Amino acid sequence: EAAVTQSPRNKVTVTGGNVTLSCRQTNSHNYMYWYRQDTGHGLRLIHYSYGAGNLQIGDVPDGYKATRTTQEDFFLLLELASPSQTSLYFCASSAGGATQYFGPGTRLLVL
Amino acid sequence: AQSVTQPDARVTVSEGASLQLRCKYSYSATPYLFWYVQYPRQGLQMLLKYYSGDPVVQGVNGFEAEFSKSDSSFHLRKASVHWSDSAVYFCAVSAWGGTGSKLSFGKGAKLTVSP
Repeated sequence: EAAVTQSPRNKVTVTGGNVTLSCRQTNSHNYMYWYRQDTGHGLRLIHYSYGAGNLQIGDVPDGYKATRTTQEDFFLLLELASPSQTSLYFCASSAGGATQYFGPGTRLLVL
Repeated sequence: AQSVTQPDARVTVSEGASLQLRCKYSYSATPYLFWYVQYPRQGLQMLLKYYSGDPVVQGVNGFEAEFSKSDSSFHLRKASVHWSDSAVYFCAVSAWGGTGSKLSFGKGAKLTVSP
């Protein structure tokens, strides 16, 4: 079973702050994804990547950057955090098929 | 573009009763369909998936789902729920594009199993 870890698990920042969320997968999956989960919206795809150095735009990319430094590591960057980005963030990975494996989530609060 | 509708945001059933969570999808090609479960303070875990073959697929913990092409549905069922089934359940459809697959999720159904 795929192992996906995220850090930090909880983060508090202020409006305008700089935040980096980290994700690591240890199963050599090519694809990695960042989602946000909000009540009433389900999960929405922010960015995804199919390999180191690659980045694809998701459905709700505004205000987010992402970088895939290695096959294992995928980072989500909020350079000027806003209260609207308060959310639960999930990372996922897949081998290129449809099945995705999810990390435990990072809860972000922007004051 | 693909989409998923889960019409019941909150469902309450008694322990031991049967359960059905509804899911309708929209996708022009053959869909790859999933049900995921999210237990409190945890990430998402896949319950089951369907792509082709027998329209009734079995998942973990006694869950099953039935695919209907004519109805564009993929409803989740369980014959007898347990209190530990209380969680949020998401239906999802996968779409293939030039850069891999993307999952589109429904808004989720929060299941509460009452004693």
